[in-house]
Amino acid sequence: GAGVSQSPSNKVTEKGKDVELRCDPISGHTALYWYRQSLGQGLEFLIYFQGNSAPDKSGLPSDRFSAERTGGSVSTLTIQRTQQEDSAVYLCASSLAAGGGQPQHFGDGTRLSIL
Amino acid sequence: AQSVTQLDSQVPVFEEAPVELRCNYSSSVSVYLFWYVQYPNQGLQLLLKYLSGSTLVKGINGFEAEFNKSQTSFHLRKPSVHISDTAEYFCAVSRRNTPLVFGKGTRLSVIA
Repeated sequence: GAGVSQSPSNKVTEKGKDVELRCDPISGHTALYWYRQSLGQGLEFLIYFQGNSAPDKSGLPSDRFSAERTGGSVSTLTIQRTQQEDSAVYLCASSLAAGGGQPQHFGDGTRLSIL
Repeated sequence: AQSVTQLDSQVPVFEEAPVELRCNYSSSVSVYLFWYVQYPNQGLQLLLKYLSGSTLVKGINGFEAEFNKSQTSFHLRKPSVHISDTAEYFCAVSRRNTPLVFGKGTRLSVIA
């Protein structure tokens, strides 16, 4: 079956613009996660959803970052007024449930470059 | 709160030599443990997981890991590495109702 799909795969935009990153999880997966990975760095947790609710938004770096999930499926991560330090790979993952030994399945990420 | 420590940020090793990537976790309750691999320009791929039962877990690509409760460790091993094993490796831990917490990663470089 299809894995986690992220779009676009690459995005180049000017500083100050807004961007939307999309994640389409594996069908039937109730939990969805967003991470940021800066060059040569590990995974920085941003937010996760259980269904359409976000129990943990603690990782969002600033109020310029927001995310939503609709219909328990597709999620969108929005960055407003982008800054150069937002340049990174944004990874999405999904799992059958949060915790309980369920592994996360990752997409290939969106590489965001802010000029 | 649980945390994961990957003791080595980089591990260089010659081709066909054995390798061990170290991972320690902190948790006072039962945990689930995972190793993921990330090849360049790709997402993370599950290598293996420990949920319960046998403490020696075998995964894909010839990797295995051993859960040691007394030492709170879950080290990843391979008896003979290939050039194609060059990648970033992440250890992760979760509990019953919590998402995975990832370590900072170990970059494995296999030298010909």
